[in-house]
Amino acid sequence: GNSVTQMEGPVTLSEEAFLTINCTYTATGYPSLFWYVQYPGEGLQLLLKATKADDKGSNKGFEATYRKETTSFHLEKGSVQVSDSAVYFCALRDFYNQGGKLIFGQGTELSVKP
Amino acid sequence: DTAVSQTPKYLVTQMGNDKSIKCEQNLGHDTMYWYKQDSKKFLKIMFSYNNKELIINETVPNRFSPKSPDKAHLNLHINSLELGDSAVYFCASSQERDGSSYNEQFFGPGTRLTVL
Repeated sequence: GNSVTQMEGPVTLSEEAFLTINCTYTATGYPSLFWYVQYPGEGLQLLLKATKADDKGSNKGFEATYRKETTSFHLEKGSVQVSDSAVYFCALRDFYNQGGKLIFGQGTELSVKP
Repeated sequence: DTAVSQTPKYLVTQMGNDKSIKCEQNLGHDTMYWYKQDSKKFLKIMFSYNNKELIINETVPNRFSPKSPDKAHLNLHINSLELGDSAVYFCASSQERDGSSYNEQFFGPGTRLTVL
């Protein structure tokens, strides 16, 4: 079945450092890919998404490119801030093969120090 | 106005009790979901309703029973609570009129259930 694998956390960075959180997926169909962010004590918010191969999603300085050849959707940000500290979830959704459910990776906790 | 709301935010109860969590969305969406987040932050779908009809029912004990009185509400009732039910439960909603994989799901703030 479909699955998502993220790099293990926690990831600790200094402010203004470059961020990469790796995400790879396994899917039988043509899924859409998402990054969600969960700030402490809150629900999930959509950070960005991509719907087909080579699409790039971007928001708030974060970017991720849908790479079908490497089945990856790595999250990057050029200069992180303390306010980016949160848990980041990579997810996929294949409506026709598995209904509307989101399949999540295990989450990667990011801690940014001043 | 809150888009997806859940009550209560915290729920502490004894093993064996029956409890309910309520979810409401004011986005006009036609599909609602329940997800469970365990202590390691792992998120997994439990149920999904589209226009009050159950469309996803993952391998969940039948002690868990979702109920959708209308499109804007999806409640989760749990019978005979067990220690392992302790988790954060998230409600979500989306508009699935066109059946596309890229439709965004909007999440509620979560309900932290602790079973003692």
